[in-house]
Amino acid sequence: SQTIHQWPATLVQPVGSPLSLECTVEGTSNPNLYWYRQAAGRGLQLLFYSVGIGQISSEVPQNLSASRPQDRQFILSSKKLLLSDSGFYLCAWSRMGGGEQFFGPGTRLTVL
Amino acid sequence: ILNVEQSPQSLHVQEGDSTNFTCSFPSSNFYALHWYRWETAKSPEALFVMTLNGDEKKKGRISATLNTKEGYSYLYIKGSQPEDSATYLCAFIRAAGNKLTFGGGTRVLVKP
Repeated sequence: SQTIHQWPATLVQPVGSPLSLECTVEGTSNPNLYWYRQAAGRGLQLLFYSVGIGQISSEVPQNLSASRPQDRQFILSSKKLLLSDSGFYLCAWSRMGGGEQFFGPGTRLTVL
Repeated sequence: ILNVEQSPQSLHVQEGDSTNFTCSFPSSNFYALHWYRWETAKSPEALFVMTLNGDEKKKGRISATLNTKEGYSYLYIKGSQPEDSATYLCAFIRAAGNKLTFGGGTRVLVKP
């Protein structure tokens, strides 16, 4: 069966510090991978998605970047965090061609 | 920018009562409409993936309908129970796309 892992679960970082959130998927090959953010009081916003190694599509201009160094690894990064980067970050995967998405447990990021 | 709207934003339901809420989405270039349930402290989980106009899907006491021509979907909960309390998210996929555009969600609270 497939599982998706995210870490860390919670993170408190000062403004201006770097960020690295990791997501890995087990039990499947060539997944589509996604990063979402839920800011306080708002819905899920798609940040990045990837259909293959090294292929990243960015949905909104922002302070964040994503990388996919391996088939089942998706990393969300920032060089300098802003207060507005606070939120709940979810990684998800789906099979090639779209379809139902499976979400990880999420990371709660607080930027102070 | 795709507009996916859900209403109402929140709903209080007495245990045993039935309820429904709406997701509206662009009626052009439709590919699929997803419904997810997001319980507190958990990850979103898929309820339904709907692709055809007129689709009706059911899972236990929860069902959904789809009208792609007019761009709306209803989710129904029959005989609401406290464990139905969650945020219900709909998400739209445009034709030949890999990415979901989420609505803001309907937060349902079932009171015993």
